[in-house]
Formats: sequence, C-alpha cells, structure tokens
Amino acid sequence: EPEVTQTPSHQVTQMGQEVILRCVPISNHLYFYWYRQILGQKVEFLVSFYNNEISEKSEIFDDQFSVERPDGSNFTLKIRSTKLEDSAMYFCASSRGTASYNEQFFGPGTRLTVL
Amino acid sequence: AQTVTQSQPEMSVQEAETVTLSCTYDTSESDYYLFWYKQPPSRQMILVIRQEAYKQQNATENRFSVNFQKAAKSFSLKISDSQLGDAAMYFCGGFMDSNYQLIWGAGTKLIIKP
Repeated sequence: EPEVTQTPSHQVTQMGQEVILRCVPISNHLYFYWYRQILGQKVEFLVSFYNNEISEKSEIFDDQFSVERPDGSNFTLKIRSTKLEDSAMYFCASSRGTASYNEQFFGPGTRLTVL
Repeated sequence: AQTVTQSQPEMSVQEAETVTLSCTYDTSESDYYLFWYKQPPSRQMILVIRQEAYKQQNATENRFSVNFQKAAKSFSLKISDSQLGDAAMYFCGGFMDSNYQLIWGAGTKLIIKP
C-alpha cells in the first residue's frame, strides 16, 4: 500500500540554523500539507500546497518558513533560522483532491529538536 | 473561529468492552467534514472514520462508529469490542471553513486494560 514517507525521523539542530524537512507524498496525490505538533499540544496546520504554489497557510507559517516541490516526488519544508519554539513533530500529508472530499494520508513525522 | 474540543484527556476501558470518546466543535458553516484520527505510539496519524455533515446517517467502520449530532455540534466516537491494538491517542478534527486546513482537537489518550 502506498504511503507518505518523511526524512529524517529525528533532526537535532542549533538555534539559528536552517533545516530542511523532506517528505515524499503518495505518487498520484496532488495536494500536500505540513502540520506540526508541539509536545503535549494540539496538531496545528502550517500550510497546504497545490499546483506548485501555496493554497493556504496559517499564522504560524511566517517568513521563516518556506515549502517547495523541487522535483516530481519530494515536498520540503524549510525553516530558515530555527528558534527553540520550533521544536516539535512535523507531519507531512498528501491527498488526491481537496481535503474535504479526500482523506489526508500522513507520514510518520520528523521530530525536530532545536538546542 | 472554528474550534474542536475534546474534553477527555484520557480514557481507559477493559479489553472487549465499549468506550465512547467525545468531541464537540464550533462552526458557522452548514457543510463540513469531520474526522477521527488515531495516533499509536509509532506517531503515525491513521484515519479511523469520517463523517460528512450533510449526511444524517452516522458513519460506521467495523468496530468504530460515530454519533453525529449536528444541532448539538457533537461528534463522538464509539469503539466496540475494544482490542489492545486500539490503544492510542485519538484526535477529532474537521474541515469547516477551509478545504485544506484540518482543525484538530487536543486528543484523548485511550488505554486498553487487558
């Protein structure tokens, strides 16, 4: 069964450093998403991406964040200058169509630790 | 603003018994979609069940069923014949005013006692 994959599973970085989190969505999916979950808190929507552009983003997704689909398979989340409060699990998801009609399939997550 | 509330941080149930997890939400939309996701210790989010708000019939998936009360804005999940593998965090969520942004509740940790 096809699945969303994410690498790395755990990333440790120093405050102020740039990190890139990678995701490979399911191959015939057209919509891509990033969510984050700070330990002990709710899962929060960051951004959705369709047709090579951002379709929606939350207040959390400020200028420090960017997303890219550099080739036909990868979908990346870049944090330019990490802060301590960026420490969280980051989940990538993909869906065939708009989310209200189609299930979002989630990857296993990347645990980001900012020191 | 759209919100999803899960008032039970933790629930426990004896194996083979039935348990109900509550969820309430707030939206001014009339058409929306609600979901329950399960997050086992592996941390992967797995869809359990979904409900379209325009459907009056409650969704069911094998041992999982929902009690959707649209007027009360309530969307509870019933798990029948609980199994050890059901132990996980359960998140209620929905697409309300957005087709992209899934709004999540805080989660309920379900413990299954053997």
